Formats: sequence, C-alpha cells, structure tokens
Amino acid sequence: DAKTTQPPSMDCAEGRAANLPCNHSTISGNEYVYWYRQIHSQGPQYIIHGLKNNETNEMASLIITEDRKSSTLILPHATLRDTAVYYCIVGLTGANSKLTFGKGITLSVRP
Amino acid sequence: DTAVSQTPKYLVTQMGNDKSIKCEQNLGHDTMYWYKQDSKKFLKIMFSYNNKELIINETVPNRFSPKSPDKAHLNLHINSLELGDSAVYFCASSQNAVRGYTFGSGTRLTVV
Repeated sequence: DAKTTQPPSMDCAEGRAANLPCNHSTISGNEYVYWYRQIHSQGPQYIIHGLKNNETNEMASLIITEDRKSSTLILPHATLRDTAVYYCIVGLTGANSKLTFGKGITLSVRP
Repeated sequence: DTAVSQTPKYLVTQMGNDKSIKCEQNLGHDTMYWYKQDSKKFLKIMFSYNNKELIINETVPNRFSPKSPDKAHLNLHINSLELGDSAVYFCASSQNAVRGYTFGSGTRLTVV
C-alpha cells in the first residue's frame, strides 16, 4: 500500500505556480520522498526527490517540512504540458528499493 | 538513444497464448523492474532484478516469468494469457534508486 496521501485533483492557471501537497506521516528516517508524473499513458517521469532538505532542479522544487511528515512539489510556471497525474512516493534507495505508486493527484493546467 | 526501451509497444493476443515483452536499458543501471498498470490506472510493481538476481517478486501468478540474461535486459514472459492480464506493462531501471527510476514507454497488452 502507498504510504502517502494526496488530494485527487487540482487545477491551476497557465503561467502560475502549481503547489502540489503530499502527506507522508509514517515516513521512516531513511526513506526519501520522490515525485513522478505520468502524462496521459506515457511512462512515469522522474521529477525530483529529497530526504530532508529542500531541493530544486530544472523541473520543480520540493519543499519538505522539518518533521518530514509532508511535502509540496512546486512547478513554478505551469504550462499546459504539465497537465498530468503527479505521484508522491516514499521509499528507500539501494538494490532492494521498491517504489509503490498510489493514486496520485491529477493536475489540470487551464489556459 | 532511448534510455529504457520496450518491445513491442502494442500486443494483441488471444486467451491461452504465451507471449514475451522485452526490455533493454542503456543507462548502465544495476536494477531493473516490471510494473503493471491496469485499467484503473494503478501502477503496481511486479518484479525487480539486481545484477541478474531476482530481488522483488510481488506475489505475481507464476504464469509470469521474468528473465534477465544480463543486467541490461529484463524480459517478461507470460504463459496461458488471461483476459485479466490486459494492461500496460512498464519496464524501469535504476542505479540503487539514487535518482529514482527511469521508465520505458510501456507495452499495451490486450488479451481477447
């Protein structure tokens, strides 16, 4: 079972920031927070991951609360092509890693 | 070059047939995975292999048999196909999940 909870859907206007929340209150100390997205029926695409510190890359920023029980994925300037299902996942690294996908949140970017 | 490539992209077959899906990664990753996405869009892990060794087997029916001839390939063979096997199957690879998994574009299997 997925260890995260996300709202089922949200929308935002094109060009605005999209803030996608995720709760992971049972996360253990060595588990990472990963974010993926799946556009239509394509393969899931890795976005970003983090352990404790906030992270930023060319796609997004990840803000993790100090107690690590929740996080927010920020798409700074959403475009229509960002419409997708976004998955927040917690999991371990290493050869025994097993990322379990939940239902995700459907982000709709409107013109 | 496609990082994780799966063939075929589409597969339509009759119940009771045996079929295989192939997966190859050119990222030099040590671990490969098979995931199944059903009609309700849930993505479920099926298997993982690390350096040709089976690591994860998520109580998948034994009609499904993964084969890893080398660490760059993980094929999925399915015997006696059933209607419920219809789904999109995704292959993925990672280097100890340090930067997450890289997924292929999927194989849409339809059993009629």
